[in-house]
Amino acid sequence: GQNIDQPTEMTATEGAIVQINCTYQTSGFNGLFWYQQHAGEAPTFLSYNVLDGLEEKGRFSSFLSRSKGYSYLLLKELQMKDSASYLCAVMDSNYQLIWGAGTKLIIKP
Amino acid sequence: DTGVSQDPRHKITKRGQNVTFRCDPISEHNRLYWYRQTLGQGPEFLTYFQNEAQLEKSRLLSDRFSAERPKGSFSTLEIQRTEQGDSAMYLCASRRPGDSGELFFGEGSRLTVL
Repeated sequence: GQNIDQPTEMTATEGAIVQINCTYQTSGFNGLFWYQQHAGEAPTFLSYNVLDGLEEKGRFSSFLSRSKGYSYLLLKELQMKDSASYLCAVMDSNYQLIWGAGTKLIIKP
Repeated sequence: DTGVSQDPRHKITKRGQNVTFRCDPISEHNRLYWYRQTLGQGPEFLTYFQNEAQLEKSRLLSDRFSAERPKGSFSTLEIQRTEQGDSAMYLCASRRPGDSGELFFGEGSRLTVL
C-alpha cells in the first residue's frame, strides 16, 4: 500500500529552527510537495522536490532523498505566524497526490 | 483571476438532505480535484477531472456522492441523503495542464450535518 508518515505534532520556539520529517512508500514517484495549512484555511503550496537535494526558498528549505524515501522541511527564524499544519504529499506513478496526515507545528514565544 | 473559489463557504444541513457545492478553478487550469478533509487529517481524494471528463473517482466514495464539470470550467459536488459522517471540509483544487505542478486550493466548503 501507499503510505506517508510525518510526526503528528511538534513544538518550537520563536526565532529557532525546526525540521519536519516525512517518509514515504508509494507506487512510483513523480515529486514531493510540502503545503502549509492554517487552522480552518485551505492548504497553500510551499515547495516541490523531484530531484535529490536541498531546495531553498527564503526561510523555508526542503530536502529530498529518493533512495531513502525521505524528505524534510526546514523552517528557520521561526515566527508566530508559522504556527500551522505542514502537509507532505507525494505524486505517484499516476500523477495523483498521496497526502500525509500533516504535522501540527506550535510556536512558543 | 484571484484563484480557486468555492461556494458556499459553510453549509449546515439536517441528516437526509441533499447539498451541492460549487468550485470555480483558475481559468487556465484544465485539471480539477475534489478532496475531503477532517480535523487532524490530510486531504482525502474524492474525484478528478481533466477538462469535462471525470477521469478518476475514489473507490471509497459512496454512490451518494456525484460530481460534474459540464463545460470543463466550474464543477459541482453533490451529496445526496447526507449523513453525520459526511461532516467535513470539502476542498477543491486546480492544476495547470501537464503532469506536474502544484495544486492550487480553494478556501473550502465546510459541511455540518446535524
